[in-house]
Amino acid sequence: RKEVEQDPGPFNVPEGATVAFNCTYSNSASQSFFWYRQDCRKEPKLLMSVYSSGNEDGRFTAQLNRASQYISLLIRDSKLSDSATYLCAGEYNFNKFYFGSGTKLNVKP
Amino acid sequence: EPEVTQTPSHQVTQMGQEVILRCVPISNHLYFYWYRQILGQKVEFLVSFYNNEISEKSEIFDDQFSVERPDGSNFTLKIRSTKLEDSAMYFCASSYNSQGWNTEAFFGQGTRLTVV
Repeated sequence: RKEVEQDPGPFNVPEGATVAFNCTYSNSASQSFFWYRQDCRKEPKLLMSVYSSGNEDGRFTAQLNRASQYISLLIRDSKLSDSATYLCAGEYNFNKFYFGSGTKLNVKP
Repeated sequence: EPEVTQTPSHQVTQMGQEVILRCVPISNHLYFYWYRQILGQKVEFLVSFYNNEISEKSEIFDDQFSVERPDGSNFTLKIRSTKLEDSAMYFCASSYNSQGWNTEAFFGQGTRLTVV
């Protein structure tokens, strides 16, 4: 069973739309979760940390549901520059970050 | 802003040759990682390193791979005898600021390894 699973997409949305991604994880001992953004052929860049019940940063909101073992990312008022692949990641015991396959987002004018 | 730096940005090597990929983690981080990403595929964990020893490694990280922290700043990944399937982007990352409880991993820009 994959440690982290994501819908690969792509999600094609118009500018200004609200879009949500979900990510499920299998390791219930995972302590911390993160959303990363990866542009084509670039390194993952940290978007948000999701430590407990959720986190909000401007247009971005991340939620963690430990009971159901999923995290979500909501992007409001999407911009063209939001087009990227969004990776969710879990962290276990500081030793290892494990990533989902990523969800591709295309924001269209 | 502190960042993880990797060299070289692109390495081309012949099959069977040894390569060393170099990384300078963020200076006050304690945990170091190597990941790889084959083109079009997911980011895969290779190894984590803490307190001068391997903390955890994946099944990908076989005897062909080794890591080292030869001095106080560099963190290297060596592939002893490269195979065609080792062609990938290799990312170094570091995490865990000793000043607090920040556990986010920050990635270098990657080294694209091409084995021919």
